[in-house]
Amino acid sequence: NAGVTQTPKFQVLKTGQSMTLQCAQDMNHEYMSWYRQDPGMGLRLIHYSVGAGITDQGEVPNGYNVSRSTTEDFPLRLLSAAPSQTSVYFCASSYSKLRQGVTYEQYFGPGTRLTVT
Amino acid sequence: KNQVEQSPQSLIILEGKNCTLQCNYTVSPFSNLRWYKQDTGRGPVSLTIMTFSENTKSNGRYTATLDADTKQSSLHITASQLSDSASYICVVRSSGGYNKLIFGAGTRLAVHP
Repeated sequence: NAGVTQTPKFQVLKTGQSMTLQCAQDMNHEYMSWYRQDPGMGLRLIHYSVGAGITDQGEVPNGYNVSRSTTEDFPLRLLSAAPSQTSVYFCASSYSKLRQGVTYEQYFGPGTRLTVT
Repeated sequence: KNQVEQSPQSLIILEGKNCTLQCNYTVSPFSNLRWYKQDTGRGPVSLTIMTFSENTKSNGRYTATLDADTKQSSLHITASQLSDSASYICVVRSSGGYNKLIFGAGTRLAVHP
């Protein structure tokens, strides 16, 4: 049971380049999400998914795309990288919050440190 | 506006000493409050989750308290160890949606020998 895995661990991009950050979980969690973490700020939600084929925007979705074709994978695509997207990106997963009265733990991946020059 | 504020921003203590980290929130409606530990270069790892009806919850040397009336929480670390050096993040979940986790900026704790 590997939990939540992310690749790559580090990435340097030039402005305008595109790339995909990979995220996978092996816990059969319905809910997956992407956050970015910037110095002095709390984690901010980029996009999330409540199940295969279902995605929605979070707090800071501009410049990012996601898709969820399987329960296990939730890749994050940067369409045209900008220096403002320099950050550490975390993927997280949990069981669905649809079940009333049950609090589910959220598990985070190790993060991807992205620098855009 | 839903906010989570943590204090202090950073803290240095000597190994073996106790410390308390603070979290104030203005999230409504409230569902639960979580404390996470984040080691440098790693993702956050859960320490405790408390719902409205819980006043205190322990996880080894970590004890979290919650006062839902004053909207305050604290994380107390007893007999600190060098491995406690990390950022501690307070997170409040608001009811009624998947995307309603509000993160504090964290307290960076350094434990020195």
